[in-house]
Amino acid sequence: DIQMTQSPSTLSASVGDRVTITCRASQSISSWLAWYQQKPGKAPKLLIYKASSLESGVPSRFSGSGSGTEFTLTISSLQPDDFATYYCQQYNSWVTFGPGTKVDIK
Amino acid sequence: QVQLVQSGAEVKKPGASVKVSCKASGYTFTSYGISWVRQAPGQGLEWMGWISTYNGNTNYAQKLQGRVTMTTDTSTSTAYMELRSLRSDDTAVYYCARDLTVDTAMVAFDYWGQGTLVTVSS
Repeated sequence: DIQMTQSPSTLSASVGDRVTITCRASQSISSWLAWYQQKPGKAPKLLIYKASSLESGVPSRFSGSGSGTEFTLTISSLQPDDFATYYCQQYNSWVTFGPGTKVDIK
Repeated sequence: QVQLVQSGAEVKKPGASVKVSCKASGYTFTSYGISWVRQAPGQGLEWMGWISTYNGNTNYAQKLQGRVTMTTDTSTSTAYMELRSLRSDDTAVYYCARDLTVDTAMVAFDYWGQGTLVTVSS
């Protein structure tokens, strides 16, 4: 099974900050990676698929990059609505999720 | 608009079974697969499996093999997930999600149901 790790596990930031979350896979997954945002009590929301493709309707301040085993999600200027938990998901070999990164208010 | 509406919360005793439904609307049901993901309280996301709404093919997570069955009723655009021999560690919110494609389990999910809390307790 492919294992996914994320860093940091928690990130404290302020509105307007540039935020970067890293996701690593235990083996190469090419570009088969997605990012989701989840708020408490709500279902996850797709942000990015195929490592860098922005889902329709998602603000352009979100971007994804990487391939192989290392990937990043960047929020260029953090907005109040962005405080949430972010998960990466690989779908190269079945499906596994990372443990999540909680972005909270500094 | 695309919607996935799931059945309501369930409380089950250990050893029982639960069947959660997921009714789709706003798109052609058989053009996108459905996957199921669960989330234990305060924990991360766990993929449970996938069903092709086109031909009924399924793939299940290895740890759930033998206890889970996913089915669809294309006449009502509804997907179902049944989990048997429930244990306390099956307590979780169960989500259905629409796949970006119809023909593979290895896919991202663009729409999600609202979640169904299943509590397993004696």
